[in-house]
Amino acid sequence: NAGVTQTPKFQVLKTGQSMTLQCAQDMNHEYMSWYRQDPGMGLRLIHYSVGAGITDQGEVPNGYNVSRSTTEDFPLRLLSAAPSQTSVYFCASSWGLAGDYNEQFFGPGTRLTVL
Amino acid sequence: GQQVMQIPQYQHVQEGEDFTTYCNSSTTLSNIQWYKQRPGGHPVFLIQLVKSGEVKKQKRLTFQFGEAKKNSSLHITATQTTDVGTYFCALGGTYKYIFGTGTRLKVLA
Repeated sequence: NAGVTQTPKFQVLKTGQSMTLQCAQDMNHEYMSWYRQDPGMGLRLIHYSVGAGITDQGEVPNGYNVSRSTTEDFPLRLLSAAPSQTSVYFCASSWGLAGDYNEQFFGPGTRLTVL
Repeated sequence: GQQVMQIPQYQHVQEGEDFTTYCNSSTTLSNIQWYKQRPGGHPVFLIQLVKSGEVKKQKRLTFQFGEAKKNSSLHITATQTTDVGTYFCALGGTYKYIFGTGTRLKVLA
């Protein structure tokens, strides 16, 4: 099993550009989420999905869109990149909801710089 | 968004010394998780605590969940250089987790 994979590993964008960060998992997990990590801020939840076709907002959703057409994939779209979106982005997946036993498996991350 | 403070923010210890990090919530939790992130790496799950007053051990690591299910601690006995990294708690709600700000541990050989 590859676990959780993310592409690209690094990306540089100009302000106003759009792009999609890819995330895929091969563990048949229902629950997937996107976090951003900034220095001194820990990980903050952007969006999450409890299954194919179902998504919801996390703590910091503005400027990002998600969709979940399959169980395996959960792409994150930046609509119009801003310097404030410079961060490291992690995708995670798990078997179930936060109320259950729910080890989250994280991908290796995408380091994004917006100029 | 909500931020959960972990104490301390940084900790430098000599190899062989003990280390403890604390995580506090203002609300009662359904569960709490702990993760470790090595420099340049991604978070890796360590443990999940569910029951009030629960104590779990993994070799030199001891995890506690408070009686009121509002706080937790991670204690490392006799630190080693391999313990270097940032330790995060993650507070479990119904559908999502809120991560703490983390405690960065440096171990001096």
